[in-house]
Amino acid sequence: AQSVTQLGSHVSVSEGALVLLRCNYSSSVPPYLFWYVQYPNQGLQLLLKYTTGATLVKGINGFEAEFKKSETSFHLTKPSAHMSDAAEYFCAVSSYSSASKIIFGSGTRLSIRP
Amino acid sequence: NAGVTQTPKFRVLKTGQSMTLLCAQDMNHEYMYWYRQDPGMGLRLIHYSVGEGTTAKGEVPDGYNVSRLKKQNFLLGLESAAPSQTSVYFCASRTGPPAEAFFGQGTRLTVV
Repeated sequence: AQSVTQLGSHVSVSEGALVLLRCNYSSSVPPYLFWYVQYPNQGLQLLLKYTTGATLVKGINGFEAEFKKSETSFHLTKPSAHMSDAAEYFCAVSSYSSASKIIFGSGTRLSIRP
Repeated sequence: NAGVTQTPKFRVLKTGQSMTLLCAQDMNHEYMYWYRQDPGMGLRLIHYSVGEGTTAKGEVPDGYNVSRLKKQNFLLGLESAAPSQTSVYFCASRTGPPAEAFFGQGTRLTVV
């Protein structure tokens, strides 16, 4: 079975500081990995995804993530935080052999200090 | 360009009442999903469908039923609502792996 662990339910950084949100996955087959963002009272919006190929993936709003198979990780980063980045972030895993399920982590709430 | 539309957006139910949540997508997607979101627990998969006429159980299916009679619609039913089903429910759809899922705006359900 596939699973996702997001370390840190709440992360707080200063505006302009590096953002690092951690995601580790468990999968016995090659995974497809996703990061989604959720703003208050809204649905989820895709930030970026990894399927195959280049392990460093760039997404919207200046975010990027690196797939590290040896560490089973897919951490999300952004060099310089902006106030508008305050939201909840979800990591998710899927695969061709997972019976089409998409499994989500428990989420990380990102706060930005002025 | 509506994408994924959920109705209703808000609902309050009494314990024991029944209701159906409707999810409609206009992207001709094969795969559809129902999730519930609770604080600190992320999104948990309730049921999903890989095509018209098919349904399958997810992580937390108990107390819910689903139907996919038409490709564009995925219905989630609560036969006898319980306070533990108070949650925000999200519907999502996608073409299939490895594509990403597109989400609706959610339905906030309170069972009293």
